[in-house]
Amino acid sequence: ETGVTQTPRHLVMGMTNKKSLKCEQHLGHNAMYWYKQSAKKPLELMFVYSLEERVENNSVPSRFSPECPNSSHLFLHLHTLQPEDSALYLCASSQGLEGQGFFGQGTRLTVV
Amino acid sequence: AQSVSQHNHHVILSEAASLELGCNYSYGGTVNLFWYVQYPGQHLQLLLKYFSGDPLVKGIKGFEAEFIKSKFSFNLRKPSVQWSDTAEYFCAVNAHSNTGKLIFGQGTTLQVKP
Repeated sequence: ETGVTQTPRHLVMGMTNKKSLKCEQHLGHNAMYWYKQSAKKPLELMFVYSLEERVENNSVPSRFSPECPNSSHLFLHLHTLQPEDSALYLCASSQGLEGQGFFGQGTRLTVV
Repeated sequence: AQSVSQHNHHVILSEAASLELGCNYSYGGTVNLFWYVQYPGQHLQLLLKYFSGDPLVKGIKGFEAEFIKSKFSFNLRKPSVQWSDTAEYFCAVNAHSNTGKLIFGQGTTLQVKP
């Protein structure tokens, strides 16, 4: 149990589908993150939320839409994705923004 | 652009060998530095971190790292590896402490042979 739970663990979706990834943290942290981990590439930060406000949007295409309804939950809404969006999507949380993150196990996304 | 470079992509060692994994970053200002580990099938976990103070940082499981500011380096070391250290290791840098933006290296896969 990591304290950061992501669902689903695996997702296969077509390019015309709409789906959402969910992240929940049980650590009382006030910041949450989405990262993308592609094969043979470094982890890429996608979004940062602090106190439920977005503080970083790392040039992510609009087909990825984050939502942070409260400090414990973070969603990533997906629509009209491309095959190159297939990757492991990791959620993390932290107390403050000094960078130390506690990571979930990720959602393995395959776009067909 | 800021970047983090891990020189070794794949390292193979025998048990009891010493380990040093290189990490260099490109940023001239104040940084927070991290090493994360990902064991097979598990989530990313923090090994150790450096924010300020003593540049030699000790982490969990006998790992340590040394911050050398003049070399922009934060190398990870362990005197004697075990088979259970087989994992992927990631160096990360936070160059903007007010945004939470972590920049990761590409990772180093460590395989320890029993």
